[in-house]
Amino acid sequence: KQEVTQIPAALSVPEGENLVLNCSFTDSAIYNLQWFRQDPGKGLTSLLLIQSSQREQTSGRLNASLDKSSGRSTLYIAASQPGDSATYLCAVVGGGGNKLTFGTGTQLKVEL
Amino acid sequence: DAGITQSPRHKVTETGTPVTLRCHQTENHRYMYWYRQDPGHGLRLIHYSYGVKDTDKGEVSDGYSVSRSKTEDFLLTLESATSSQTSVYFCAISESVAANTEAFFGQGTRLTVV
Repeated sequence: KQEVTQIPAALSVPEGENLVLNCSFTDSAIYNLQWFRQDPGKGLTSLLLIQSSQREQTSGRLNASLDKSSGRSTLYIAASQPGDSATYLCAVVGGGGNKLTFGTGTQLKVEL
Repeated sequence: DAGITQSPRHKVTETGTPVTLRCHQTENHRYMYWYRQDPGHGLRLIHYSYGVKDTDKGEVSDGYSVSRSKTEDFLLTLESATSSQTSVYFCAISESVAANTEAFFGQGTRLTVV
């Protein structure tokens, strides 16, 4: 059974800092990995999708990397802003049925 | 934004009553999913569908049933609601594994069972 872990569970940083969020998974037989953002009381917003054959993907100030063999992904956020405050979730797709298995998320707070 | 609509957005119901949540998509995606989100557990898959009338169980399917009679609609039914089913329910869609496409989520339904 695939298990996804995100460390740290919570993180507080001053505005402008670069930061890294971590995601690890136990079964390396994945199709892709997706990073999401969730604001309080809202749904999930897709940030980046990395295919299993890719090493990294970039969107604006966000860069996600994938090391499938070691079961790890990182989400790098450059020059953090208060508007980046949210919970960040990673999910892997693998196995039958195209199912996403989620980590429990990292709650990020960027302070002025 | 992907066209996914969940209804209702909020519902309070009594223990023992049946409840149906609806997910409607306008993207013509093949896969549809129902997740529940609870503090300390994250998002857990309840049921999913890989086509009209094709569904399968997820990791927390007990007490839930689903139906998909049209590509655009995926219904989640709580046959006899219990307090443990108080949660936020999310619907998601995706095109296919082969296409390596993103999954998109609805805004959620907050269900309270009293």
